[in-house]
Amino acid sequence: AQSVAQPEDQVNVAEGNPLTVKCTYSVSGNPYLFWYVQYPNRGLQFLLKYITGDNLVKGSYGFEAEFNKSQTSFHLKKPSALVSDSALYFCAAPEGGYQKVTFGTGTKLQVIP
Amino acid sequence: DTAVSQTPKYLVTQMGNDKSIKCEQNLGHDTMYWYKQDSKKFLKIMFSYNNKELIINETVPNRFSPKSPDKAHLNLHINSLELGDSAVYFCASSLQFYGYTFGSGTRLTVV
Repeated sequence: AQSVAQPEDQVNVAEGNPLTVKCTYSVSGNPYLFWYVQYPNRGLQFLLKYITGDNLVKGSYGFEAEFNKSQTSFHLKKPSALVSDSALYFCAAPEGGYQKVTFGTGTKLQVIP
Repeated sequence: DTAVSQTPKYLVTQMGNDKSIKCEQNLGHDTMYWYKQDSKKFLKIMFSYNNKELIINETVPNRFSPKSPDKAHLNLHINSLELGDSAVYFCASSLQFYGYTFGSGTRLTVV
């Protein structure tokens, strides 16, 4: 079984600065990890996933995530934040199979102009 | 073309009523889901269907009944609606570990 945790309810960052949204995981076996974004009044959109391979995963909209096995983390990053990146971000992992994905509690990202 | 579409987008109804939410996906995915997002934005899985077969049924009241007439459709029927059922309900679909595609949500308000 796998689970994920997002320790920050909200992250504020100035436009143009690098951003990090944190996620830690607990897993038995090989981890499968995902990031999703939810814009206001919209459904969730897939950003990127880690299944195996390179620890740095590149995704949509210039986002990337770094898988760190020793720290059991899968933090979402972007080199230069845009105001339009302001949204709710969810880390997720399958729990026992791909048919049941559990989501973290979400982190609200606020990019300040 | 909408990949995962759910209707209606908004639903306001009185306590005790019965209502349905429909979901359709045109992606050829083999698994469909219903998730509930509460007022704190927490997402919780309710049901999962794989090729029309129920495979996940979380601790959801019996008043909630999913129906999958074929693998492209997963509807959610709710009987005797209660105030606590007010939430946003998301349909999603997936093909193995490739990630979920979500619908835009149905905001249910029970008054």
